[in-house]
Amino acid sequence: AQKVTQAQTEISVVEKEDVTLDCVYETRDTTYYLFWYKQPPSGELVFLIRRNSFDEQNEISGRYSWNFQKSTSSFNFTITASQVVDSAVYFCALSEWDYGGSQGNLIFGKGTKLSVKP
Amino acid sequence: ETGVTQTPRHLVMGMTNKKSLKCEQHLGHNAMYWYKQSAKKPLELMFVYNFKEQTENNSVPSRFSPECPNSSHLFLHLHTLQPEDSALYLCASSQDKTSGGDEQFFGPGTRLTVL
Repeated sequence: AQKVTQAQTEISVVEKEDVTLDCVYETRDTTYYLFWYKQPPSGELVFLIRRNSFDEQNEISGRYSWNFQKSTSSFNFTITASQVVDSAVYFCALSEWDYGGSQGNLIFGKGTKLSVKP
Repeated sequence: ETGVTQTPRHLVMGMTNKKSLKCEQHLGHNAMYWYKQSAKKPLELMFVYNFKEQTENNSVPSRFSPECPNSSHLFLHLHTLQPEDSALYLCASSQDKTSGGDEQFFGPGTRLTVL
C-alpha cells in the first residue's frame, strides 16, 4: 500500500544551522511523483518541489536542496543556513500515476514541525 | 484575487446548524479537492472533483456534502456536525487529475469549530 513516513515529528535548530527533513515512501507503482509542501502558521500549504520517479537528480534551489534515492525510497529535504522564516510544518507527499483510478491524489506524511530560533 | 481563496476563514457553529464553506480557484484548473486537517491525524483527502464530476469520496460521513457547480468553485455543505469535526478544512486545485503528477495549489483554509 502507498504510504509516506516522516519520522521526525519536531525539529528545533538555531539560525544558520543546516537541517535535513527525512521522508520515506512506499508504493507499488513504477511511475509516481514526490512532493514537498511548506505550511507556515497562516495555514496555507505552499508547494516547494515535485519529482517524478524517473528523475533521481538532486535539486538545489537557493538554500533548499532535495536528495531523491530510489534505492532507499527516500526523498529528503535539506535547508542550508536556516532562517527564522523557515519555521513551519513541512509535508512530504506521494502521488501515484497509474494505480486504480487514484492517480493524482496526494498521500501526505504526518509532517515535520521545524522551529528555527534566532 | 489570485490563487485559491476560501471563505470564511473561521467558522464557529453549533451541532444543529447548517453552514457552507466556499472555495474558488483563479488558476484555470480543472480538478478541485477538499482536505481535512486535524491535530490528531495527517491531511485527509475528503472529496475530489475533476471537470466538475466527483471522482472520489473518501468514506466521508454524509453530514459533509460537496458541490462543484463549475471548475472554478467548490463548496462543502455542513449539517449536524459533531465536535470531532472541528478542524482546518483545506481546498486545493490542480490542472487535471488524470495527469497524475500535477502539483496541487492550496487555499488558506477554513478553521472550523463545532460546539
